[in-house]
Amino acid sequence: TQLLEQSPQFLSIQEGENLTVYCNSSSVFSSLQWYRQEPGEGPVLLVTVVTGGEVKKLKRLTFQFGDARKDSSLHITAAQPGDTGLYLCAGARGATNKLIFGTGTLLAVQP
Amino acid sequence: GAGVSQSPRYKVAKRGQDVALRCDPISGHVSLFWYQQALGQGPEFLTYFQNEAQLDKSGLPSDRFFAERPEGSVSTLKIQRTQQEDSAVYLCASSLSRLRGEAFFGQGTRLTVV
Repeated sequence: TQLLEQSPQFLSIQEGENLTVYCNSSSVFSSLQWYRQEPGEGPVLLVTVVTGGEVKKLKRLTFQFGDARKDSSLHITAAQPGDTGLYLCAGARGATNKLIFGTGTLLAVQP
Repeated sequence: GAGVSQSPRYKVAKRGQDVALRCDPISGHVSLFWYQQALGQGPEFLTYFQNEAQLDKSGLPSDRFFAERPEGSVSTLKIQRTQQEDSAVYLCASSLSRLRGEAFFGQGTRLTVV
């Protein structure tokens, strides 16, 4: 059961365009992470957000954690083909801080 | 090692066969997680170890799935009497401690049951 819903599920854009991926839940998380996964590889951590309302920037990527710590967004400016991959949000829950992953957004950036 | 290492990378098993998947976490990492990932989906939690103790196995889909980490480092996920629905990528992740939720993932083992 996926507690985190991501939208859109698929996104195909041209190089240079901007995009936003959303990650929504009815549950509160102690922290939320964004990963990117390429075919045949494990997910690679991009960022962790902890505080409600927090905004973090990583070059052309901007991450925001909702005030209530239930949702998050990832905005990519001037997308490049190297941004292609599966983007996953994941919320940490429980005593073990296990990660509950979102449904994923598959991004394809065409040159 | 520099990262989380999983072996084998690929495994083809006949239905009914037992399989064992290995995970070598980052040295010194206390927490170890196993996840199952279907094609195009996000990973789903299977089980969690803190050192050698299996503190959460709520995600294991059936009693055919068994995981161990006897010395608090290397972990093995065993699947008995494999079935076609077990076909997936099995990911292992480790983190420094329970309170530090930043997990580092291995490349995964792709299991195909035929």
